[in-house]
Amino acid sequence: AQSVTQLGSHVSVSEGALVLLRCNYSSSVPPYLFWYVQYPNQGLQLLLKYTTGATLVKGINGFEAEFKKSETSFHLTKPSAHMSDAAEYFCAVTQGHGGATNKLIFGTGTLLAVQP
Amino acid sequence: EPEVTQTPSHQVTQMGQEVILRCVPISNHLYFYWYRQILGQKVEFLVSFYNNEISEKSEIFDDQFSVERPDGSNFTLKIRSTKLEDSAMYFCASSEGGIPYYEQYFGPGTRLTVT
Repeated sequence: AQSVTQLGSHVSVSEGALVLLRCNYSSSVPPYLFWYVQYPNQGLQLLLKYTTGATLVKGINGFEAEFKKSETSFHLTKPSAHMSDAAEYFCAVTQGHGGATNKLIFGTGTLLAVQP
Repeated sequence: EPEVTQTPSHQVTQMGQEVILRCVPISNHLYFYWYRQILGQKVEFLVSFYNNEISEKSEIFDDQFSVERPDGSNFTLKIRSTKLEDSAMYFCASSEGGIPYYEQYFGPGTRLTVT
């Protein structure tokens, strides 16, 4: 069975500081990995995804994530936080490589606060 | 930009009552989903729907739940007899095709409170 663990339900950073949101996955097959963001009163929005190929994936709003198979991790980073980055971030996994599913398996989410 | 909409934003109901949560997916999308998030827990997959039938469902999606696409625009989730543990945020999503090559677009959610 696949699962996702997000360490830290709340993360607070100063504006301009590095953002690091942690995600570890468990999967018996090569996974597809996603990061979603949810702003208040809005739906989840895809930030970036890893399918195959380059392990460093760039997304919207300056975010990127690196797939590390040896560490079963897919941590989300942004070099310099902006006030507008304050939101809840969800890591998700699904079965890759031809798995016949459209089911996303989510973590519990990390609420990012950005202090001025 | 097209978006998924959900109504109502908040629904309060008494235990044992039926509720219908409504979603309007993006118009050219073919795949439809319901997920839910109980407060403080993970977002959980409930069901996916394609070509007018359920394509996948989780163990949560028992006989108390049903989905329907009654017309060309709406996608509904019905809970026949609500329980206290059905209290959660319910998210509808839609996609043009299957993941990972097509993004699932999520609505803002309906908060269901069962008293």
